[in-house]
Amino acid sequence: EAGVTQFPSHSVIEKGQTVTLRCDPISGHDNLYWYRRVMGKEIKFLLHFVKESKQDESGMPNNRFLAERTGGTYSTLKVQPAELEDSGVYFCASSQDLGDTQYFGPGTRLTVL
Amino acid sequence: TQLLEQSPQFLSIQEGENLTVYCNSSSVFSSLQWYRQEPGEGPVLLVTVVTGGEVKKLKRLTFQFGDARKDSSLHITAAQPGDTGLYLCAGPRGGGADGLTFGKGTHLIIQP
Repeated sequence: EAGVTQFPSHSVIEKGQTVTLRCDPISGHDNLYWYRRVMGKEIKFLLHFVKESKQDESGMPNNRFLAERTGGTYSTLKVQPAELEDSGVYFCASSQDLGDTQYFGPGTRLTVL
Repeated sequence: TQLLEQSPQFLSIQEGENLTVYCNSSSVFSSLQWYRQEPGEGPVLLVTVVTGGEVKKLKRLTFQFGDARKDSSLHITAAQPGDTGLYLCAGPRGGGADGLTFGKGTHLIIQP
C-alpha cells in the first residue's frame, strides 16, 4: 500500500511568487492534515480536512494560505504571495478515522528568497 | 494549544551506551506519542501511551507516561548507530482542536 506522498519535494521561489504544494493521502483515508516546521521551531498544525470539508483551520497563519481538497482525495496548499517567513518544511498526514494514527508524508521543503 | 518541551535538544553518545530523553508539559495530555524522523522523511510513529504510569517496550526502547500524564520519557538501552535520528513527542492539541502539538525534538547521534 502506497504511503502519503507529497509534491514537490523541494521548491525554491522568490518573495511575492505563488507556490502550490500537493499531498496525496493514503487511499481511503478521510482525514488529511497539513503541518509546517519552520527552522528552529516545532512542527505546527495548520489545518485538518475530513473528506472535502475543512474541519479545523485554526493553525493557518494568515489569508495568504489557501488549502483545498476537492473531491476528498488529494489536497493542495497554495501560498500567495509567498513571504520569507513562509520558508520551512510542510508535512501532510492522513488517517482513516479521527483519532487514528496519522501517517506522515516526506514533506515539501519550501525556500522563499 | 498545549506545549511540549523536549530535552536534551541534542545528544551524541557512543554505541552501546544507554540514554534517556524527556518530554515535559505543564498541561495534562489524554495521550502522548513518540515519533522518529530521519532526514528527508516524515515522522514515523513509534508508540502511543494513554494511561498514567504506563510503560511500553519496543525492543531496546522503553517509553513511560508520567503518573500525572504531563510528561513522558524514552529510554534506549545499548544504543546502536541505527537509532540515530530525531525523536519527537506529540500529543493532541486539546481544547477541542484537531491535530497534534509537537515538541521540538531530540537530535540523537549514536557513534560507532
